[in-house]
Amino acid sequence: ELKVEQNPLFLSMQEGKNYTIYCNYSTTSDRLYWYRQDPGKSLESLFVLLSNGAVKQEGRLMASLDTKARLSTLHITAAVHDLSATYFCAEFNTDKLIFGTGTRLQVFP
Amino acid sequence: NAGVTQTPKFRILKIGQSMTLQCTQDMNHNYMYWYRQDPGMGLKLIYYSVGAGITDKGEVPNGYNVSRSTTEDFPLRLELAAPSQTSVYFCASRPPGGEQFFGPGTRLTVL
Repeated sequence: ELKVEQNPLFLSMQEGKNYTIYCNYSTTSDRLYWYRQDPGKSLESLFVLLSNGAVKQEGRLMASLDTKARLSTLHITAAVHDLSATYFCAEFNTDKLIFGTGTRLQVFP
Repeated sequence: NAGVTQTPKFRILKIGQSMTLQCTQDMNHNYMYWYRQDPGMGLKLIYYSVGAGITDKGEVPNGYNVSRSTTEDFPLRLELAAPSQTSVYFCASRPPGGEQFFGPGTRLTVL
């Protein structure tokens, strides 16, 4: 069964702190996506990771991919309130995206 | 480009009613998808299409039907609506080998 697991499911963190969200997937896919979703909104693409060892950074977010471990991480550096949202990883498999359950991030002062 | 558009934005149905959720994209993408998102959950794939005239089931196809007569349009049909179909429905499209773009969603309530 294709399965994508994220942890933690909920993350409450103080502004200025660092944290990592983990995404484990079940197949040998070498394409992994990260999306952001604000409440009541659609999904916004953050990163596309296309090969083992890929690392991408945008502002305070950095994503990486380890295809051998079937693991992707989304690292948050010096969190700010504007990063509060739900983050989804999704594995690409045979024309389809398989989504994780999401990590709801709340950043407080 | 308008991207991926969905109508309606909101809809309330009674149990047993039917409706069609519309999805249109103007990017000439081959691949189109329908997902549902239940509260606090991730997205689950209902149906997808790799091109006009070709559709296939996803994880949760029961209670839904689709058609793809043109590249641009990918409507999702609900027959005999049930409370379990209360959800937010997202349509998405992508080019071959490319990134997936999502529509704004349709919030459906079945009472």
